[in-house]
Parts: sequence; C-alpha cells; structure tokens
Amino acid sequence: NAGVTQTPKFQVLKTGQSMTLQCAQDMNHEYMSWYRQDPGMGLRLIHYSVGAGITDQGEVPNGYNVSRSTTEDFPLRLLSAAPSQTSVYFCASSYSLISGNTIYFGEGSWLTVV
Amino acid sequence: SQQGEEDPQALSIQEGENATMNCSYKTSINNLQWYRQNSGRGLVHLILIRSNEREKHSGRLRVTLDTSKKSSSLLITASRAADTASYFCATDGSTGTASKLTFGTGTRLQVTL
Repeated sequence: NAGVTQTPKFQVLKTGQSMTLQCAQDMNHEYMSWYRQDPGMGLRLIHYSVGAGITDQGEVPNGYNVSRSTTEDFPLRLLSAAPSQTSVYFCASSYSLISGNTIYFGEGSWLTVV
Repeated sequence: SQQGEEDPQALSIQEGENATMNCSYKTSINNLQWYRQNSGRGLVHLILIRSNEREKHSGRLRVTLDTSKKSSSLLITASRAADTASYFCATDGSTGTASKLTFGTGTRLQVTL
C-alpha cells in the first residue's frame, strides 16, 4: 500500500520558472491538500480539495494552482517561481473532510528557488 | 498566526526518561491531534483527543486536554532513541472540518543513549 506519493523529492528552480509537484494517493480518499512547511512556521495550508473537480484555497494560496481531475491525483503548480516559495511541500489526504479523520502525509518535496 | 504553539521548542532527554511537550491554542476546537515528524520525512498521526475528552492513552503516549486553559500536553514515557523527532499539535476550529486544521510550530525532541 503506497499511501500518499509525492514527486519529485528534490527540485531546484530558477526564479520565474514553472513546475508541477505531483501527488497521488491510492486509498480512495476524497479529501486532499497541500501544505508548505517553513522553519519556525509549522505547516500552512495552500489549497485543498474535497473531491474530483472541487478545489478551494487555504491559508497561503497565492502563486499556486491546483486541479483535481481524478480522485487519486492532486498536482500543485507553481506558475512563476519566486525565492519566497523555497520550502518543503507536503501533500496529504484523508477519508473525508469531517473533523477527526486521520490525515496521511506524503514524504515531502524539497523545493529551492534561486 | 498559528493556532497551536508548542512548548518547549526543543527538548533533550536521555533514553528511559519521560518527555513532556505542551501545546496552547487560541480558539474553540472540536479536536486536537498530535503528529510526529522524523527528520526529512512526512508527518505521522499519533493520537487524537476530542474536545469532550480530558485524557487519552496510546501505548507509551498520554495526551491531556484542558479546554478551559486551551492547552494540551503530550507525554512520552520511557523514551527511546527512536522517539527522536519533531512533534506537532494540530487543531481544527469549531467549523469541524479538516480544511481548517492548523498546525503548531513543533517541539524538537532529542533522545540520547
């Protein structure tokens, strides 16, 4: 059981470049989300989705786009990378949006924007 | 601003000792969860305590919740070197949805032999 799989693990981008972080889960979870983790800041929610075709913004959505064409996949797109987007990105999923459901995290994607 | 704030930021203990870390939050919650993050890895769910519960156990973990003080504590008994990790509390607001889960800044626990 793979759980939540993120790719790539590491990426270096130049300012202005675009890229997509991939996320896939094989648990048939409806709820998926993207967080970024910065030193001393904890995890902050970027975007989330409650099902295929439905996405919404989290706490820090600017500079990122998401789509949810299938239940399994939830890619995060950086449209024009900026140094402020240097961070560790985590994809997560859970069975439902209802409070209390365990959230499963991917292993993280380390992104550096130079 | 972060809903959950862990205290201390860092904790170093010897194997066999107990480790206690605290989490304070600001607004009403439905539940509070604790997660562990090993270096370079994703977060792993440890335990959840609901707002109507005061104490919960899971193996060597003991979590307490005081809603009047808006605080929670995580106790790891008889710590092991493998417990070395960062520990985060996460709260969801009274809206009761996972989309509002807010993580604290974490406590880095170092367990030495």
